[in-house]
Amino acid sequence: EVQLVQSGAEVKKPGESLKISCKGSGYSFTSYWIAWVRQMPGKGLEWMGIIYPGDSDARYSPSFQGQVTISADKSTSTAYLQWSSLKASDTAMYYCARRGYYDSGGYVIDYWGQGTPVTVSS
Amino acid sequence: DIVMTQTPLSSPVTLGQPASISCRSSQSLVHSDGNTYLSWLQQRPGQPPRLLIYKISNRFSGVPDRFSGSGAGTDFTLKISRVEAEDVGVYYCMQTTQFPQYTFGQGTKLEIK
Repeated sequence: EVQLVQSGAEVKKPGESLKISCKGSGYSFTSYWIAWVRQMPGKGLEWMGIIYPGDSDARYSPSFQGQVTISADKSTSTAYLQWSSLKASDTAMYYCARRGYYDSGGYVIDYWGQGTPVTVSS
Repeated sequence: DIVMTQTPLSSPVTLGQPASISCRSSQSLVHSDGNTYLSWLQQRPGQPPRLLIYKISNRFSGVPDRFSGSGAGTDFTLKISRVEAEDVGVYYCMQTTQFPQYTFGQGTKLEIK
């Protein structure tokens, strides 16, 4: 069974750094891209970027380029999303999701983590 | 980036009645391989998104057959044949044609009248 399990809720102050995680299991972690998606309170889904754990090739949405860093550790089947200096506007739920492949359907964002809520407040 | 526009943004529906949500893309979603990568996601209150439909009309594993998708090019539709209480939530269309810049619609809130 494919599972993406994310790290727990975080409460941070503006200017602090943060790294949240997403651990994949039930499939070959290095063979599938992992994406990160932001959902601000009461709002819709925003695509942040995606990484291929096999070679750590990371691609970013222009809106998030330079604001966050996406990385992965093959040895622990874990993807990460990190900030060097948080802002109050980073308060949101963050989801990781897998880009699967189906012979009948091509590339699909098929499985999602449970989400990591991040609160940034002074 | 491809902009995805959903209508309506809110849809009050009576239990047992059908519901329909539209999604329009700012450019054709036909990929160079000839396929059209349009998905529909459901997000129930307090839950992560869940894949319902991929490549316009393919139901994902475990999705009830009351959900169906249709469309082509830039215009797509999600239909629920008979709405049940568990269908309450927000529905998003998503394009996975233009890698790596995938995009979502704004979401349509389905609620029971």
